Amino acid sequence: GNSVTQMEGPVTLSEEAFLTINCTYTATGYPSLFWYVQYPGEGLQLLLKATKADDKGSNKGFEATYRKETTSFHLEKGSVQVSDSAVYFCALRGTQGGSEKLVFGKGTKLTVNP
Amino acid sequence: NAGVTQTPKFRILKIGQSMTLQCTQDMNHNYMYWYRQDPGMGLKLIYYSVGAGITDKGEVPNGYNVSRSTTEDFPLRLELAAPSQTSVYFCASSYGREKLFFGSGTQLSVL
Repeated sequence: GNSVTQMEGPVTLSEEAFLTINCTYTATGYPSLFWYVQYPGEGLQLLLKATKADDKGSNKGFEATYRKETTSFHLEKGSVQVSDSAVYFCALRGTQGGSEKLVFGKGTKLTVNP
Repeated sequence: NAGVTQTPKFRILKIGQSMTLQCTQDMNHNYMYWYRQDPGMGLKLIYYSVGAGITDKGEVPNGYNVSRSTTEDFPLRLELAAPSQTSVYFCASSYGREKLFFGSGTQLSVL
């Protein structure tokens, strides 16, 4: 079945540091890929998405490129801020039967210190 | 625009008690979902619905029931609460299969 593997957290960075959170996936066909963010005490929000190979999703300074050859969708940001402290979830939606369902990774907690 | 509203925000149950987690959305979304979030385990899909009158099981449906009598409401029922159901529960909705909108969650403890 479909699955998503994220790098283990937690990740602690200083303000203005470069961020990478790794995400790889297993799926048949051509899944759509997503990054969701969960701020403390809130529900998840869609951060960015990509629906086909080589697409780049971007939002709020975050970027992720759909790499089919490496089955990856790593999240990057050039300069993090304290306000980026949150839990980040990689997710995919498959194209086979049952594709109404999103499959989430376990989440990576990011803490940015001033 | 309220989005997805969940109630209650917190609840403590005794083993064997029953309760209903309420979820309502005002965006006229056809898809609705219930997830549970356990520490370090990400989100697991409990049940989902593709429209009023239609529901289907997700990954972890045992111990739960749902109904979808209207487009707006998607309540989750726990019949005989067990400690294994201690978790944070999130309701979500979407138009089609694209962007999901999540509620702020219900923190449930079963003691």
